[in-house]
Amino acid sequence: DQQVKQNSPSLSVQEGRISILNCDYTNSMFDYFLWYKKYPAEGPTFLISISSIKDKNEDGRFTVFLNKSAKHLSLHIVPSQPGDSAVYFCAASVSGSRLTFGEGTQLTVNP
Amino acid sequence: DAGITQSPRHKVTETGTPVTLRCHQTENHRYMYWYRQDPGHGLRLIHYSYGVKDTDKGEVSDGYSVSRSKTEDFLLTLESATSSQTSVYFCAISDPGGQGDFGDTQYFGPGTRLTVL
Repeated sequence: DQQVKQNSPSLSVQEGRISILNCDYTNSMFDYFLWYKKYPAEGPTFLISISSIKDKNEDGRFTVFLNKSAKHLSLHIVPSQPGDSAVYFCAASVSGSRLTFGEGTQLTVNP
Repeated sequence: DAGITQSPRHKVTETGTPVTLRCHQTENHRYMYWYRQDPGHGLRLIHYSYGVKDTDKGEVSDGYSVSRSKTEDFLLTLESATSSQTSVYFCAISDPGGQGDFGDTQYFGPGTRLTVL
């Protein structure tokens, strides 16, 4: 039972444009959501998170949106840069419980 | 960056041999985790620890065991490696706020690439 799904294995965008990565979840008890970025041969690094009491959280070029009614999470990167090319994982948890990860989306930003 | 190291970084072994992977942290975080990453599956939790000598199973624990004798070290053992255990293994740590709190944000080590022939 895949409770967190990233339906797009890959996404390609032009430098300077917006990248939108999507994540859907099925467990309505999830109340904390995170995005991680992973470069080849490195471990995932924490990028941004959002609590279920919010619908938006921004950190520089990165914004996470949460739509609880649709059980949908998205990460917007504006403007996209070639250095953003990486695999992005979304993850979710119920307060105080362990993280459940999606399958990941490979983002490629073309110069 | 969180102080997390994993050793070895790469290992090739043969089916049926025992393998131990080590995770070492310098952050004094209470929780430690072992994940495996496989294409199409994302990161799946193998085992985790919530304190010295306190461990529990994750979603893909069959064929793996763990031990934590010190706060800073978390060992993952494959008693008899199989080809299905070829994967990239990541250790993670978190700093929970209280009893039973996993501390949602986890910080990852650089990974160990294991190949079982």
